[in-house]
Amino acid sequence: EVQLLESGGGLVQPGGSQRLSCAASGLTLSSCAMSWVRQAPGRGLEWVSAITGGGGNTYYADSVKGRFAISRDNSRNTLYLQMNSLRGEDTAVYYCAKHLRTGLVDAFDIWGQGTMVTVSS
Amino acid sequence: EVVLTQSPATLSLSPGERATLSCRASQSLSSYLAWYQQKPGQAPRLLIYDASNRATGIPARFSGSGSGTDFTLTISSLEPEDFAVYYCQQRSNWPLTFGGGTKVEIK
Repeated sequence: EVQLLESGGGLVQPGGSQRLSCAASGLTLSSCAMSWVRQAPGRGLEWVSAITGGGGNTYYADSVKGRFAISRDNSRNTLYLQMNSLRGEDTAVYYCAKHLRTGLVDAFDIWGQGTMVTVSS
Repeated sequence: EVVLTQSPATLSLSPGERATLSCRASQSLSSYLAWYQQKPGQAPRLLIYDASNRATGIPARFSGSGSGTDFTLTISSLEPEDFAVYYCQQRSNWPLTFGGGTKVEIK
């Protein structure tokens, strides 16, 4: 069974940092483009960042550019999101999601269960 | 940034009825639009990609249509498990964007 499992969420103070992980099973991440998508409490979905299978190309939403960094360790079959300079508006459930095909601009066919990040003092 | 406007915000229907959800884009997307279903406490599930292609395992009562700026998700006969929030998402331009969602609730 194909699964994505996020971890690393929690309570963090404004201005702090947090690293999220997304471990894959049943699929090889090196052949997959991947994204992080977030959902603030009671709100809709917001795409955050994407990365190619090889990790050579990355894209970010303007709201996180310069503060967040997406990366991957294909040897560990794991995707990461390093979040710095966190703000209250970053409070959300963060999902990792696999792109349907190999391209970066695509739909998302497999999602993790999400990990909650709360930014508050 | 492509803005996706979904309507109506809420759709109140009974099981067995037909549901028609709309997604309008601020610029042409060709056919690069997807639909997702999300239930409370769960991750989104891909239903339709590239406007009209059902994802793996999606029942035939779900269908998508449209191109350019106007798209429709139709659920031909609502089952109890179909009451949820539905989102559209475009892959025509960066950044990837989602619509605000349509909640399909039991009447």
